[in-house]
Amino acid sequence: QKEVEQNSGPLSVPEGAIASLNCTYSDRGSQSFFWYRQYSGKSPELIMSIYSNGDKEDGRFTAQLNKASQYVSLLIRDSQPSDSATYLCAVNFGNEKLTFGTGTRLTIIP
Amino acid sequence: ETGVTQSPTHLIKTRGQQVTLRCSSQSGHNTVSWYQQALGQGPQFIFQYYREEENGRGNFPPRFSGLQFPNYSSELNVNALELDDSALYLCASSARQGGGGGYTFGSGTRLTVV
Repeated sequence: QKEVEQNSGPLSVPEGAIASLNCTYSDRGSQSFFWYRQYSGKSPELIMSIYSNGDKEDGRFTAQLNKASQYVSLLIRDSQPSDSATYLCAVNFGNEKLTFGTGTRLTIIP
Repeated sequence: ETGVTQSPTHLIKTRGQQVTLRCSSQSGHNTVSWYQQALGQGPQFIFQYYREEENGRGNFPPRFSGLQFPNYSSELNVNALELDDSALYLCASSARQGGGGGYTFGSGTRLTVV
């Protein structure tokens, strides 16, 4: 059973601080990893993808991948109230689908 | 470039009825996947269509079925609705099989079964 696990939270972070979201997955052979943001009542929105070990930065967002340890993380710098949402980690295990975690609910406190 | 569109946005059905949900994929995307998202959960994979053929299926019973059309739009059909089918149904399109390049999701259809 290929699984993606996330801490469901809620995670509360003061405005301006760094929010750190973590995700672990079960298959070391996985190739593609994604972070989606989902506002309440809305559909998921792709914010980051990462395919190789190391860091990938895009604006205030940094994705970090460590395939040996089977984890992927998302850092949000200078957190804003608009970052308050549920963040979904998704993994392509190479079996024709993306498998999602249950999501981490993030609240940015003004 | 148009995004993924789904219809209807909201739907209320009675237990035992049948429902059809529709999705138009993003321009240039030939792969469509359907997901069910229950409240407080991550999306669960129902099935995927690639070039009009089912190309992968999740752990859903046969009363969940689908179609993909030559223009890559898609339908999700659910027969004999049960109360537990109440969820947000998401259509996602991608330019690569298996969503290797990431999915673009539609806004979803909120189905309530009473």
